[in-house]
Amino acid sequence: AQKVTQAQTEISVVEKEDVTLDCVYETRDTTYYLFWYKQPPSGELVFLIRRNSFDEQNEISGRYSWNFQKSTSSFNFTITASQVVDSAVYFCALRALIQGAQKLVFGQGTRLTINP
Amino acid sequence: GAGVSQSPSNKVTEKGKDVELRCDPISGHTALYWYRQRLGQGLEFLIYFQGNSAPDKSGLPSDRFSAERTGESVSTLTIQRTQQEDSAVYLCASRSRDRGLSYNSPLHFGNGTRLTVT
Repeated sequence: AQKVTQAQTEISVVEKEDVTLDCVYETRDTTYYLFWYKQPPSGELVFLIRRNSFDEQNEISGRYSWNFQKSTSSFNFTITASQVVDSAVYFCALRALIQGAQKLVFGQGTRLTINP
Repeated sequence: GAGVSQSPSNKVTEKGKDVELRCDPISGHTALYWYRQRLGQGLEFLIYFQGNSAPDKSGLPSDRFSAERTGESVSTLTIQRTQQEDSAVYLCASRSRDRGLSYNSPLHFGNGTRLTVT
């Protein structure tokens, strides 16, 4: 079964703190993709990053960084020096080829609140 | 260029009525997805189209839900005899054709249709 677990339902930190959002996934497929999306209060879903199962190289983009570890089936997302504008719900997602069809499975999301 | 467009943005309907939600994907995007997001909840997969065929309908919650797509264009999600538990934001997303075995194109989401069943 394909499953994505975001164990942290809500996180609240003070501005400028670093924060890590956890994502653990399950899949039997050897080829798959992982994604993070941001959903700010306005509601639209914004694509942040994708990572394929063959590439475990970690990525940094400004204050955002992602740690992909196949050994633990995790794809964690860290925001450094958080800002109030980072407040949003963050979704981790897994896409794999299942019975000939593409399926994108989302975690339940982590609501991140950055307090001034 | 234009993003994924959904209409209406808001819909209030009485229990028992039928509703039709529309999604205009980004031009050229072959894959189209429908998701449901209840208040404060995650995204629940409903159905996926590749072109106008639906290889995965596993997420449709009941036979009151149906969806269709014309070619690689507009899709409509129809809910018959709406119930209060159908109240949610219905999100549509599309993505471009994958290259070979590299299915890595990200989904682009619309702003959703907020459905309220009274």
